[in-house]
This record gives sequence, structure tokens and C-alpha cells, in this order.
Amino acid sequence: DAGVIQSPRHEVTEMGQEVTLRCKPISGHNSLFWYRQTMMRGLELLIYFNNNVPIDDSGMPEDRFSAKMPNASFSTLKIQPSEPRDSAVYFCASSLLAGVETQYFGPGTRLLVL
Amino acid sequence: AQSVTQLDSQVPVFEEAPVELRCNYSSSVSVYLFWYVQYPNQGLQLLLKYLSGSTLVKGINGFEAEFNKSQTSFHLRKPSVHISDTAEYFCAVSRSGAGSYQLTFGKGTKLSVIP
Repeated sequence: DAGVIQSPRHEVTEMGQEVTLRCKPISGHNSLFWYRQTMMRGLELLIYFNNNVPIDDSGMPEDRFSAKMPNASFSTLKIQPSEPRDSAVYFCASSLLAGVETQYFGPGTRLLVL
Repeated sequence: AQSVTQLDSQVPVFEEAPVELRCNYSSSVSVYLFWYVQYPNQGLQLLLKYLSGSTLVKGINGFEAEFNKSQTSFHLRKPSVHISDTAEYFCAVSRSGAGSYQLTFGKGTKLSVIP
């Protein structure tokens, strides 16, 4: 299995631009998570999908952030407009089920907003 | 809500020496506990997890951890480290039970193995 795939691996953009991060979970996994990692705040859960339905988006920082999962094999995290404080590493993870099942992380997208 | 404290942000250790990475958690309910490792420029990978049963949990790469409920700790140990163990290690906690999905991570401990 290829594991969780994220693209792009690196993104440099200017403040105000729209940024779209993409994730392909492991085939057969029903749960998908988006995390953000920063030096100041560590790893934070942004949103959790189960069977393509958003279950918990309480971690999404503000209205500038949105996430979708149109089917079981694809998810996007969009930031519009982007700001310098959004600079972070964004991870996507998937698991067979939520709870005790292991979450498998992708390699992350390193975002820099200038 | 749960919280995790990793007491050391950086731990340098000589190759072939033992290491212990400390993790304490806070929760008013029963928990599951996890240790993840992150190698440079990679995602997190599960080392081991405690769900129930034996308090000593063995994981990959020779690591083990012991759940101590009275001290609310879940310290990670390895008897002899290798250069390849240089990475950042994250302790995480979630509420136990069906449907629980929220992992709360500690800030991480950077392990540097010195040749």
C-alpha cells in the first residue's frame, strides 16, 4: 500500500492567495483527519471525517479554512485568503476506524505564506 | 478534556546508551495512550499504544512503554539506542471507548543520538 498521499509537499504563496492542500487516504480507511503542526502550538486536530462526512470541525481556526471529502479516496483543505500565521506543516491521517485504530499519517505539506 | 505533558523538549544520549522519554497525562476519564515517532521531513508513525491489559507495552524498533495509572504516566524506554533513533517523539492520549477519535498530542521530545 502506498500509504497516505499528500500534495503538494511544499507550498510557498503570498498573503491573500488561495491555497489548496490535497490528501488521498489509505484505501479502505473510513476515517480521515487533518492536523496542523506549528512550533508554538504543536499538533492540532483541525477536522475529522467519518465515511466522508465531517464529524468534528471544531479545530478549524476560522472561516478562512474549509475542508471537503467528496469521496472515500480524496480530501482537500482550503485556505482562502491565506495569511502568514497559517504557515505550518499540515498533515492528513487516515484510519480504518476512529478510536483504537492506528492513525496513519501522510508526509505532510509544508506551507509558507509570505 | 485530556492533556499531555512531555517533560523534556530535547534529550541527547550516546549511542548504545539507554533512554527514557517522559510523558504525563491528565484526564478525568479512562484513556488510551500512544507514542508516535516523526523522522525528519516525514509524517508520524505509531511506535506503540496502550488500550488495556498489561501495563507494559512493547512496540516497534525495540521501544517499550509502561502505563502507570497512579502516576498518570506513560514513559517510553529503549535499553540501547541507535543513531537511526534520532527523531522527534510524541506522546498522545485519547478518551477510551467506542467512537473516541480525538488524539491530544504532547509538544514532542527531540531525541538526538550521539555517535
